[in-house]
Amino acid sequence: GQNIDQPTEMTATEGAIVQINCTYQTSGFNGLFWYQQHAGEAPTFLSYNVLDGLEEKGRFSSFLSRSKGYSYLLLKELQMKDSASYLCAVRPRANQAGTALIFGKGTTLSVSS
Amino acid sequence: DAGITQSPRHKVTETGTPVTLRCHQTENHRYMYWYRQDPGHGLRLIHYSYGVKDTDKGEVSDGYSVSRSKTEDFLLTLESATSSQTSVYFCAISDLQPSGYTFGSGTRLTVV
Repeated sequence: GQNIDQPTEMTATEGAIVQINCTYQTSGFNGLFWYQQHAGEAPTFLSYNVLDGLEEKGRFSSFLSRSKGYSYLLLKELQMKDSASYLCAVRPRANQAGTALIFGKGTTLSVSS
Repeated sequence: DAGITQSPRHKVTETGTPVTLRCHQTENHRYMYWYRQDPGHGLRLIHYSYGVKDTDKGEVSDGYSVSRSKTEDFLLTLESATSSQTSVYFCAISDLQPSGYTFGSGTRLTVV
């Protein structure tokens, strides 16, 4: 089957660093995505990993280990506006009929001052 | 000038009535998807399309049908709405680029 696990909730303080983990078991692998979703809004793209290693984009970084079925999203210098849900998603295949993403249930991050 | 729009944004309907949600894109992307998002379940795939008149079922397709008669539009129909279909419905588009999906703003559907 297909399964993506991530913690349900996390809390952190403004200015701190937080790491959100994601483990996956899917029938194939053709990329892992992280999305941010503020309450009442649509998800927006944060990062993409298809090869092992770290991808850095400003305050956000994402890491992938395909052999371990593991990824994490690292948020540095947290700001209040980072309070949101963070969704981990895997694309098992990228052929004509199989491009859909499978999503984890999301991690709700609350940042306090 | 959003590249993807959903309509309606909000709808309240009665149990047993048919409901159609519309997703319209101006990006000429090949792939379109319908998801529902519920507390405790996250985003779950209902149906998707990989071209005009080419569609397939997702994880939670029972009670839903779709149609795509042209590239721009992907319609989701609830044939006979039930209270369990109360949810937020998101449409997404992609062209297999590393950015993954672009999501519409969502439709909040309440079945009473």
